[in-house]
Amino acid sequence: QLQLQESGPGLVKPSETLSLTCTVSGGSISSSSYYWGWIRQPPGKGLEWIGSIYYSGSTYYNPSLKSRVTISVDTSKNQFSLKLSSVTAADTAVYYCARRLEGVIADWGQGTLVTVSS
Amino acid sequence: DIQMTQSPSSLSASVGDRVTITCRASQSISSYLNWYQQKPGKAPKLLIYAASSLQSGVPSRFSGSGSGTDFTLTISSLQPEDFATYYCQQSYSTPLAFGPGTKVDIK
Repeated sequence: QLQLQESGPGLVKPSETLSLTCTVSGGSISSSSYYWGWIRQPPGKGLEWIGSIYYSGSTYYNPSLKSRVTISVDTSKNQFSLKLSSVTAADTAVYYCARRLEGVIADWGQGTLVTVSS
Repeated sequence: DIQMTQSPSSLSASVGDRVTITCRASQSISSYLNWYQQKPGKAPKLLIYAASSLQSGVPSRFSGSGSGTDFTLTISSLQPEDFATYYCQQSYSTPLAFGPGTKVDIK
């Protein structure tokens, strides 16, 4: 049973960088065909795809966030990470890590709330 | 980028009702359309992929149809555990995009 678990600070100051890590268990992050990614959901609002990474390091980012986003993978730790720079209150959201296959997101982490506030 | 819309944004229904939710893409996405259910405080759960394929473990009262730009999620007989928000999502091209959601609550 694949499990994904987000971790990282729950509070980030404006203009700083949000950093989250997703630890994958019950499966290998190096599995072919799967992409690993991040999705966020502001409180009371809908879902926004942030970006994805393949185990080889190939990345795909949402153009709306591309200038501020970096997703990386550490196959030795079975983890992948998200960095979002220059955050504002608008980046306050529940951040989910997920596994997708051909664009279908069948596996999700439980989500972690990140609040941007001074 | 492909934009997704859903209607209605919310609906009230009773247990046993047949419920239909519509999703529209801003351009043709063939059958690259997925449906998710989200309950408060929980991650979304995949219900339907490729427009009409039922994800393993999902009750058969859920069904999906459509292709091109117009899609439908149907719940044939609403059960108490089905009260939730439903999202469509296109997987035709990146950036992946979700619809704004349809909240189904108790009448």
